Amino acid sequence: QLQLQESGSGLVKPSQTLSLTCAVSGGSIGSGDYSWSWIRQPPGQGLEYIGYIYHSGSTYYNPSLKSRTTISVDRSKNQFSLNLSSVTAADTAVYYCARGNWAFSTGYNMDVWGQGTTVTVSS
Amino acid sequence: DIQMTQSPSSLSASVGDRVTITCRASQSISSYLNWYHQKPGKAPKLLIYAASNLQSGVPSRFSGSGSGTDFTLTISSLQPEDFATYYCQQSYSTPYTFGQGTKLEIK
Repeated sequence: QLQLQESGSGLVKPSQTLSLTCAVSGGSIGSGDYSWSWIRQPPGQGLEYIGYIYHSGSTYYNPSLKSRTTISVDRSKNQFSLNLSSVTAADTAVYYCARGNWAFSTGYNMDVWGQGTTVTVSS
Repeated sequence: DIQMTQSPSSLSASVGDRVTITCRASQSISSYLNWYHQKPGKAPKLLIYAASNLQSGVPSRFSGSGSGTDFTLTISSLQPEDFATYYCQQSYSTPYTFGQGTKLEIK
């Protein structure tokens, strides 16, 4: 059974870079035509889509975060990562990684999620 | 960006009730609409994809319908484990966007 697990810095200072990793177990990140996504949820708020990467390295970033976002994949370690630079308090959120499926007939959905990791931006 | 608006924002219901949640898109999104629910402290879970397709392992009391701009999620007979926050998400165009959520509470 595929499982995803986020890890990384839980406390980041303003203007620094948030770095998170999502470890994939129970399956290979390079198998199938899946994308690997990041989504975040500020405290008490809704969900915001950050972006995705395919095992080929192809990426998509939400334009609202694009200038500060980098998503990368390490197939040898079966994991993918999120870097978000120049963070502010507005970036405080629970960050989730998820597996994405896309098909022309059904669109894009996220069927396997990590448990989430809380990141607080504070000095 | 496509805006997704859910109604109601919150809802109180009892075990066994039939419940309907609505999601409206700011433009036509065909059937590219997914539903998730999220329990406190947990990750969202995919329930319905492409408006009406039940995700594997999801109980049949959940159903979805709609196309274009108006969509509904129906729970035919509420169970205790269904009390959660429900989100719709469009995948017609990037950036993928979510509704603000509907919190389903026990009456």
